[in-house]
Amino acid sequence: ETGVTQTPRHLVMGMTNKKSLKCEQHLGHNAMYWYKQSAKKPLELMFVYNFKEQTENNSVPSRFSPECPNSSHLFLHLHTLQPEDSALYLCASSLGTSGDSSYNEQFFGPGTRLTVL
Amino acid sequence: GQNIDQPTEMTATEGAIVQINCTYQTSGFNGLFWYQQHAGEAPTFLSYNVLDGLEEKGRFSSFLSRSKGYSYLLLKELQMKDSASYLCAVSDSNYQLIWGAGTKLIIKP
Repeated sequence: ETGVTQTPRHLVMGMTNKKSLKCEQHLGHNAMYWYKQSAKKPLELMFVYNFKEQTENNSVPSRFSPECPNSSHLFLHLHTLQPEDSALYLCASSLGTSGDSSYNEQFFGPGTRLTVL
Repeated sequence: GQNIDQPTEMTATEGAIVQINCTYQTSGFNGLFWYQQHAGEAPTFLSYNVLDGLEEKGRFSSFLSRSKGYSYLLLKELQMKDSASYLCAVSDSNYQLIWGAGTKLIIKP
């Protein structure tokens, strides 16, 4: 248990569906992240929120829409996805987004395995 | 561009020692992280290096040479539970983590 939970753990959806991924952290952290992990590829940073404000959006298609209502919760809303979006979606949190390892160390949730048909 | 290189897969024997290398080219450097990820699980923090030299933590050690853009993770007295992927990540000038693709370590009895 890392203190970061994600639901659902597995999701199968059609290309016309709308679904949402949820992430919650119980660590008192201020920064939260969404990553995409595909087989044999580096983790791809999608979005970063620091104190509920979005600070990074790494050219992610608009069919992925993040929401951060407070520092403990992060959502990823999915709409009209493509089969190539099938991957493991990881949420992470950290104390901050700068400074030494105690601030920058990221704690990950178990991920949501997404399959788009 | 920014780049992190590490071997795709390595195999080692239970009880032995293995060294996983990581080379990087990034815009700025604010530290290097190693994470362990078992199949189907979350990545978990192993080590952090920001100064040159060796950091030892039990059976695991991590080394950094900033001038060479090089790090390694050393695992001693390998156990079957060490079978996992090992991810190298560099914190760049904006404190954004740049990740390698990971090294899958297979431990054989």
